[in-house]
Amino acid sequence: SQQGEEDPQALSIQEGENATMNCSYKTSINNLQWYRQNSGRGLVHLILIRSNEREKHSGRLRVTLDTSKKSSSLLITASRAADTASYFCATDLYGNNRLAFGKGNQVVVIP
Amino acid sequence: GAGVSQTPSNKVTEKGKYVELRCDPISGHTALYWYRQSLGQGPEFLIYFQGTGAADDSGLPNDRFFAVRPEGSVSTLKIQRTERGDSAVYLCASSLRISTDTQYFGPGTRLTVL
Repeated sequence: SQQGEEDPQALSIQEGENATMNCSYKTSINNLQWYRQNSGRGLVHLILIRSNEREKHSGRLRVTLDTSKKSSSLLITASRAADTASYFCATDLYGNNRLAFGKGNQVVVIP
Repeated sequence: GAGVSQTPSNKVTEKGKYVELRCDPISGHTALYWYRQSLGQGPEFLIYFQGTGAADDSGLPNDRFFAVRPEGSVSTLKIQRTERGDSAVYLCASSLRISTDTQYFGPGTRLTVL
């Protein structure tokens, strides 16, 4: 079964706007990761946040983690057309990097 | 160096046939993972290797699926007596170690069983 669940599932925004997506999970985790996937093929790792971290930044990306609510959010600032993709959160359930992915969040950035 | 590569990129086969999917991990990465992704879903774990041995194969759906990594580098996922339900994108990833290292994914093999 899928551990992560992203919300909302589909998002359409204008270029330059910010995009926010959320992910919830059910059990304790060691870390949570966000990936991007274009055209249903290879996933690109975006950012990893460990269970003892609350916020992390990477370029235009900002990830938060709230372990008390078992949720995470990914914010993409100043979106670009090239950000159009599916975004997945993934959790490490067993401490061995066996990732459990959510269903994904389709983001469309309109130029 | 090069990233994770997978061959073939697309494979079309008939129900009941045998297929092999190949993964070349990043050089020096000891951990290798296989995932399967159905349309509209996130990837699902199948199996991972630490070196040559399968450390966890609990995600393999049944005994028609088997994977090897004989020399601790290249891995082959083997599917016997393919069924239409096996159609999916098969993704391979590698990481420097098992632990919490970042996994780097290949482009995947799209398997279609007719």
